[in-house]
Amino acid sequence: GAVVSQHPSWVICKSGTSVKIECRSLDFQATTMFWYRQFPKQSLMLMATSNEGSKATYEQGVEKDKFLINHASLTLSTLTVTSAHPEDSSFYICSAWGQGNEKLFFGSGTQLSVL
Amino acid sequence: QQQVKQSPQSLIVQKGGISIINCAYENTAFDYFPWYQQFPGKGPALLIAIRPDVSEKKEGRFTISFNKSAKQFSLHIMDSQPGDSATYFCASKVGGTYKYIFGTGTRLKVLA
Repeated sequence: GAVVSQHPSWVICKSGTSVKIECRSLDFQATTMFWYRQFPKQSLMLMATSNEGSKATYEQGVEKDKFLINHASLTLSTLTVTSAHPEDSSFYICSAWGQGNEKLFFGSGTQLSVL
Repeated sequence: QQQVKQSPQSLIVQKGGISIINCAYENTAFDYFPWYQQFPGKGPALLIAIRPDVSEKKEGRFTISFNKSAKQFSLHIMDSQPGDSATYFCASKVGGTYKYIFGTGTRLKVLA
């Protein structure tokens, strides 16, 4: 299957700082990537859809100024959590949709802990 | 109408037994139904998937049964092993879009 690489795997930061998470499709071009948030023992909550070369589409209730998404190339999307606060602590997962392929492949996730 | 209801929430099975997880949906516009396996601290991994024009798909020990009229689909894990212990999510893709709707997850524990 296609490989989606996510980095970093975990990050600890101080409240008020910004954190950037990278999501790369390694062996295919991903015109569309997705960012999810997952709380412990819960399902995946779609935050936003990232489209290469255009603005991301955010789900209802997700602050676009808080969670900045950039999809500058067909293989890279980034999520920046700006001015992070403890309530932003969560497991963030990206996924990518290959061209001509309806299968969704996930990255390994990033555990964010905001102190 | 966009919901996918998954049950049970948790499941304990003896080694060698059959694990069965069920999902139900309401939206007839869904056109693709995958199952994902997730280990703690990892992203979900695609396990097996089915389209609505097929009633059953088998890959190794994993089988999806699909009942279009009942709007239900299920995952069967035959000869369950301790290494299968993980959280399983069903999902449904909204036709004509890239959007997946995920079930609430089932935590499976297979006893040695």
